[in-house]
Amino acid sequence: AQRVTQPEKLLSVFKGAPVELKCNYSYSGSPELFWYVQYSRQRLQLLLRHISRESIKGFTADLNKGETSFHLKKPFAQEEDSAMYYCAPVPDYNQGGKLIFGQGTELSVKP
Amino acid sequence: DGGITQSPKYLFRKEGQNVTLSCEQNLNHDAMYWYRQDPGQGLRLIYYSQIVNDFQKGDIAEGYSVSREKKESFPLTVTSAQKNPTAFYLCASRVARSYNEQFFGPGTRLTVL
Repeated sequence: AQRVTQPEKLLSVFKGAPVELKCNYSYSGSPELFWYVQYSRQRLQLLLRHISRESIKGFTADLNKGETSFHLKKPFAQEEDSAMYYCAPVPDYNQGGKLIFGQGTELSVKP
Repeated sequence: DGGITQSPKYLFRKEGQNVTLSCEQNLNHDAMYWYRQDPGQGLRLIYYSQIVNDFQKGDIAEGYSVSREKKESFPLTVTSAQKNPTAFYLCASRVARSYNEQFFGPGTRLTVL
């Protein structure tokens, strides 16, 4: 099954500090991964996806096949980055399209 | 916003009662999902469906039931068999068999009194 792991439930940093939210995957083949974000009182939404190789709101995520990781990074955290972040793979079509998210990391950026 | 809607926003239930949460989408997506979100536990998959009239159990299906009679709709029933139903429930949809992202509804907060 396609699985991702987010080892940190809570990450607290000060404004302006670098931030890295960890995501590790454990399935073979060519992975396609996503980061989703949930701001307070807003619905869960896509932040960025591996296949696009884009930078959104200053965040980037590089796929490291050697370390099987897809960590989300931002060089200078802002208070408005405080949110819940989820890493997710594409659905597992060997299991009828099952899609399991990582456990989520709550990012708190302090002033 | 729009595209995928959930109702009601808040729902209160007495113990022993079944309740049904609505999820509707107008995105023409084949695949739909129900997740439960609890503090410190992230998103847990309850049920999912890739096509009309077909659905599969997720990791925590016990005490829940679903139907998929229409492409646009994927209602979730929380039965009295669910031991701890108080939670935030999220519905999502996506294009099936693709690398596209999921789109989420605003959620329903269920409280058992």
